[in-house]
Amino acid sequence: SQTIHQWPATLVQPVGSPLSLECTVEGTSNPNLYWYRQAAGRGLQLLFYSVGIGQISSEVPQNLSASRPQDRQFILSSKKLLLSDSGFYLCASRGVSGNTIYFGEGSWLTVV
Amino acid sequence: GDSVTQMEGPVTLSEEAFLTINCTYTATGYPSLFWYVQYPGEGLQLLLKATKADDKGSNKGFEATYRKETTSFHLEKGSVQVSDSAVYFCALSETSGSRLTFGEGTQLTVNP
Repeated sequence: SQTIHQWPATLVQPVGSPLSLECTVEGTSNPNLYWYRQAAGRGLQLLFYSVGIGQISSEVPQNLSASRPQDRQFILSSKKLLLSDSGFYLCASRGVSGNTIYFGEGSWLTVV
Repeated sequence: GDSVTQMEGPVTLSEEAFLTINCTYTATGYPSLFWYVQYPGEGLQLLLKATKADDKGSNKGFEATYRKETTSFHLEKGSVQVSDSAVYFCALSETSGSRLTFGEGTQLTVNP
């Protein structure tokens, strides 16, 4: 099965500062990759997904962006964080031959 | 579009009680269905899945049967343990699509 690594695991950033969360995947090639956000006490919101290098689809308009510079690398970024960006961010991956999506351990972001 | 509806939580049970968490779905095609579990402070782990009608997914004493006629995928366990306390997410993925649609999650607390 796939292994998904996310870092940093925990991040506290001031409002207006930049953000970079990184995700790498092992155990598969050419996966579909996803960024989800989970606000406190709520469900999961799909932010971005990618079906290949340089191919990014955005689900929700916001001040976040995503990039996929390599096949198994997915980066979530922001130029200027807002308080509302606080939450738990999850990277996920689905291999080409399967329909199961696997998740990383998540990154806790607190914007202060 | 696709959607997943889970029973509202939180659910609180005593150890060894019977658990049912209801999940119904709306989809245009023939989706695969999943249950994910999220333990406190962690990412999501796949608990079980079913890929076609009448399939039963099972893992760690949990079971769910894909019921096409009622568009349901209810999660059951005969005897819960304190260690089962977590948030449970029902989800679907269209076989020809690239995204996973989640329910809102159900918080389960099991008391000794």
